[in-house]
Amino acid sequence: AAGVIQSPRHLIKEKRETATLKCYPIPRHDTVYWYQQGPGQDPQFLISFYEKMQSDKGSIPDRFSAQQFSDYHSELNMSSLELGDSALYFCASSSGRNDISYEQYFGPGTRLTVT
Amino acid sequence: QQQVKQSPQSLIVQKGGISIINCAYENTAFDYFPWYQQFPGKGPALLIAIRPDVSEKKEGRFTISFNKSAKQFSLHIMDSQPGDSATYFCAASTLSGFQKLVFGTGTRLLVSP
Repeated sequence: AAGVIQSPRHLIKEKRETATLKCYPIPRHDTVYWYQQGPGQDPQFLISFYEKMQSDKGSIPDRFSAQQFSDYHSELNMSSLELGDSALYFCASSSGRNDISYEQYFGPGTRLTVT
Repeated sequence: QQQVKQSPQSLIVQKGGISIINCAYENTAFDYFPWYQQFPGKGPALLIAIRPDVSEKKEGRFTISFNKSAKQFSLHIMDSQPGDSATYFCAASTLSGFQKLVFGTGTRLLVSP
C-alpha cells in the first residue's frame, strides 16, 4: 500500500538559511499534519491542513510557514534557521472521507541538521 | 506541561514475556487514544487505537486497556519478541474536527533474546 512520502530525507543547512520540506500524503487522504521531533523527544505538533485550508496550529515558530496544494501535497517552509531547528520533521496524513478519518499515518521523516 | 504522561521511560523484557506500558491524561475532551511504534530514524507507525466507549481492544499480540474513570490507558504486548524492541508512544486526540495528536514521552522497550 502507498505510504506518505517525504522529501528530502536528509537536509543540511547553515544558520540563517532557508529550507523547504515536502510531503505527499497517502492517495485520497485530504488532511496533512506536520510534527517536529527533537532527539529523544516525542513528536510535537506544528500545523495541519484540511482541503488546502489550515485546520489547526501548534507550537510553530513564526519563521515557519506551510501550505497545502491542490494535489494535497504540503510544503513546510523554514526561514532564518537556527541550531535548535535541527530535528526530525514528520508529515502525517489522514482521510476525512470515511469513518476512519482520525487515523494518522506518518511518513519516514526529514532529518534536518542546522550547522 | 505534558498533557499525556507515559511510564516507564524504558523497559527490558525477556523474550516471551509481557511488556506493559502505561499512560495517563488530564484532558477529558480526549476521545481517541492510539499507540505508535517507532524504530530509530523511522516514522511512528500506528499499532492500535481505542476509543473510550470500550474498555479493551485486542489486535494480535497487542492489547489496549482503557480506564475512563481513572483517565488511564495501557498497552500490553504479549509474547514479546526481540523484533518488538523499539520506542512506543501513546497519544491522545479529540475526534471533533481534524485534531492534532498529543504524544506521551515515549517508552524505549528492549526485548532480550
